[in-house]
Amino acid sequence: AQSVTQPDIHITVSEGASLELRCNYSYGATPYLFWYVQSPGQGLQLLLKYFSGDTLVQGIKGFEAEFKRSQSSFNLRKPSVHWSDAAEYFCALGGATNKLIFGTGTLLAVQP
Amino acid sequence: DTGVSQDPRHKITKRGQNVTFRCDPISEHNRLYWYRQTLGQGPEFLTYFQNEAQLEKSRLLSDRFSAERPKGSFSTLEIQRTEQGDSAMYLCASSPQGKRNYGYTFGSGTRLTVV
Repeated sequence: AQSVTQPDIHITVSEGASLELRCNYSYGATPYLFWYVQSPGQGLQLLLKYFSGDTLVQGIKGFEAEFKRSQSSFNLRKPSVHWSDAAEYFCALGGATNKLIFGTGTLLAVQP
Repeated sequence: DTGVSQDPRHKITKRGQNVTFRCDPISEHNRLYWYRQTLGQGPEFLTYFQNEAQLEKSRLLSDRFSAERPKGSFSTLEIQRTEQGDSAMYLCASSPQGKRNYGYTFGSGTRLTVV
């Protein structure tokens, strides 16, 4: 069965600190993987995506993610967090079907 | 193109009433999806259309829910006899056909509150 796990429900970092949000997936073939960000009361915005090739992918707003097949992971990183990055982050898996399967999200708080 | 539009943004209704939401996808996207998101959860798939054809429905979509996409353009999601458990954010997304690596473009959602 396809699934996505985001182990961290809530993370707090200081502004300027580095960030890593974890995502693990379960899928029997090469997955399509996405990270989305959602501000309160808003829809989801695509940050970045992986489907083949280079396992380190760059996205918008200075985010990057690394696909590690051996660990079934696709962790999101940012070297220096800004206060405006406070939001909820969702990892999503696309496989053989047209559906995306989302994790439960990680809520990021940024301390001044 | 201005992206995916959803209307209304917020809807408060009394239990037992019917509600209808509208989604206008990106014009060149022929796939349209409906998701539901409850507090503290990620979006859950409800249904999707390719052009005007509804190709898949989740078991989450009870008989009280119906979705249409006449002429393959905008879509409507209707909930009949609303229940308090229907309170959620209803998200619409669209994508081009044949590009599973594309991801979706989401609208801002319709937040439904059933009182």
